Amino acid sequence: GENVEQHPSTLSVQEGDSAVIKCTYSDSASNYFPWYKQELGKRPQLIIDIRSNVGEKKDQRIAVTLNKTAKHFSLHITETQPEDSAVYFCAALRTGTASKLTFGTGTRLQVTL
Amino acid sequence: EAQVTQNPRYLITVTGKKLTVTCSQNMNHEYMSWYRQDPGLGLRQIYYSMNVEVTDKGDVPEGYKVSRKEKRNFPLILESPSPNQTSLYFCASSLSGAGGGGTQYFGPGTRLTVL
Repeated sequence: GENVEQHPSTLSVQEGDSAVIKCTYSDSASNYFPWYKQELGKRPQLIIDIRSNVGEKKDQRIAVTLNKTAKHFSLHITETQPEDSAVYFCAALRTGTASKLTFGTGTRLQVTL
Repeated sequence: EAQVTQNPRYLITVTGKKLTVTCSQNMNHEYMSWYRQDPGLGLRQIYYSMNVEVTDKGDVPEGYKVSRKEKRNFPLILESPSPNQTSLYFCASSLSGAGGGGTQYFGPGTRLTVL
């Protein structure tokens, strides 16, 4: 089955700096890669996703890159703000007849003033 | 308002006492799923359903059952709960699981403690 590894498990950055979270996946047939943000005590919410036919996607301060050859994808947050503090999860999915979404173990991002 | 609801939100029970956690969505989504969240382990899929009467195991299905008799509801059943099932449970739904991926909308979570 699919295995998703996520690093680092914790990340502390100063406000205004950039943050990068990296994930690797094992199933070369995976073709959909979402990122979820979970604030303390709340439910996960999708913040950005990318499909395997695209190498990069941006949405304001957030971007995701995908390297299919190396089987890794990354989340980039620029100009971090205190409200970016949360746990971030990457995930991988092989769409088709069976759709098991496999999550990474999460990265706790702390943005300090 | 489009949403996924779960009940109960908090539950403390004892080993062996059957329980059901309900999940309902009002978005006419085909795909529904249950996850458990444990510290350091992230979100792990328990069961998922591609549509009515179609369910399949996720990565950690042992000790759980599900049913999908109606499109909007996807209850999680613990026939004989054990302490290792103490966890935070999330239900989620999306428009289509197969062939699309797409945004999964999560419910508010159910914190279960099994004594």
